[in-house]
Amino acid sequence: DAGVTQSPTHLIKTRGQQVTLRCSPKSGHDTVSWYQQALGQGPQFIFQYYEEEERQRGNFPDRFSGHQFPNYSSELNVNALLLGDSALYLCASSQTETTVPYEQYFGPGTRLTVT
Amino acid sequence: GIQVEQSPPDLILQEGANSTLRCNFSDSVNNLQWFHQNPWGQLINLFYIPSGTKQNGRLSATTVATERYSLLYISSSQTTDSGVYFCAVGRSYSSASKIIFGSGTRLSIRP
Repeated sequence: DAGVTQSPTHLIKTRGQQVTLRCSPKSGHDTVSWYQQALGQGPQFIFQYYEEEERQRGNFPDRFSGHQFPNYSSELNVNALLLGDSALYLCASSQTETTVPYEQYFGPGTRLTVT
Repeated sequence: GIQVEQSPPDLILQEGANSTLRCNFSDSVNNLQWFHQNPWGQLINLFYIPSGTKQNGRLSATTVATERYSLLYISSSQTTDSGVYFCAVGRSYSSASKIIFGSGTRLSIRP
């Protein structure tokens, strides 16, 4: 049973560039959430996708956008990169078709460095 | 929004020692998870425990939802237990919801 996978593992970009990160959820999961983890801090919620739509969003600017595909995989796009966007980006998957909150499982993350 | 506080922020122990990590949260929740983040950044699920007590080997956890706290116990610590432990909580009246993380407890186990 494959867990949550993310690509790439590491990425170096220059200020002002755009980046796309990818995530495939755990088998049987239909919901993908993205988190940003700055050095020394806990992960911060960016947004969540279900049925190819953004369902919840955290306190992040519109430069952060996403997409979910029919196979439940997801992309996170960040435009006009800033130095402060340097962080570990984590993808989590879960299952919506339950009546109670469902346990979230995380991928290994993509470490983004903006220079 | 819900605030999550973890204590202590740092903990240094000798191998074989026991430890208790605490997570306080500011509002009622129906989702609580404990994670261990390894040095490569991977978040490993330890417990899904919105209430009650669970045990898995040397680890156990207890959540007292009415008093808004959770405890993670690690017994007979090993060097491989080193890393950052996060508590994350959520509240949703539908299924899948976002979870809010505390700032973590950094545990260092000395051989």
